[in-house]
Amino acid sequence: SQKIEQNSEALNIQEGKTATLTCNYTNYSPAYLQWYRQDPGRGPVFLLLIRENEKEKRKERLKVTFDTTLKQSLFHITASQPADSATYLCALEIGDKIIFGKGTRLHILP
Amino acid sequence: SQTIHQWPATLVQPVGSPLSLECTVEGTSNPNLYWYRQAAGRGLQLLFYSVGIGQISSEVPQNLSASRPQDRQFILSSKKLLLSDSGFYLCAWSDGLAGTGELFFGEGSRLTVL
Repeated sequence: SQKIEQNSEALNIQEGKTATLTCNYTNYSPAYLQWYRQDPGRGPVFLLLIRENEKEKRKERLKVTFDTTLKQSLFHITASQPADSATYLCALEIGDKIIFGKGTRLHILP
Repeated sequence: SQTIHQWPATLVQPVGSPLSLECTVEGTSNPNLYWYRQAAGRGLQLLFYSVGIGQISSEVPQNLSASRPQDRQFILSSKKLLLSDSGFYLCAWSDGLAGTGELFFGEGSRLTVL
């Protein structure tokens, strides 16, 4: 069966530094991969999508890479701010389904 | 614009009681609809999804069921709740024709089974 792993359950980063989160998957070749942000007690909010034929996608301070050979996506937040503290989830499409990793809780320390 | 409504926001139910969570989407047609559960310390688990009225796919065998009586209505039910059913339930929709699968989530329903 398909498996999605986000390498860290929690990550502490100093304000102003770049936060890098990792998402690995097995047993599938998705057409695209997504990243979401979830704040406590709220539903996830879509951030970025990257397709299998794209190496990199950027949106403001966010950057996502997608390596289909390694079956890995990296999610970067540059110039991190305390307001970036949240749980970040990666998600894969499998047909009509979207399945999620467990997420990484990111804490940006002032 | 599209909106998604989910209710109730919180509920506390005794073991063995029934459950009904409702979700409706406005401003779009023929959405793909999803029910996820997020238990404490666990990730977002896909429970059911639907690509059309009356079409329900179940991902996890359990005492829950889902129905889609109308195009933009998705209902999660149980006849008898278990303690393990406690969690944060999230409804979501996506545009099946867009081909990107971007999910839009409701605000969630927090269920505590005692």
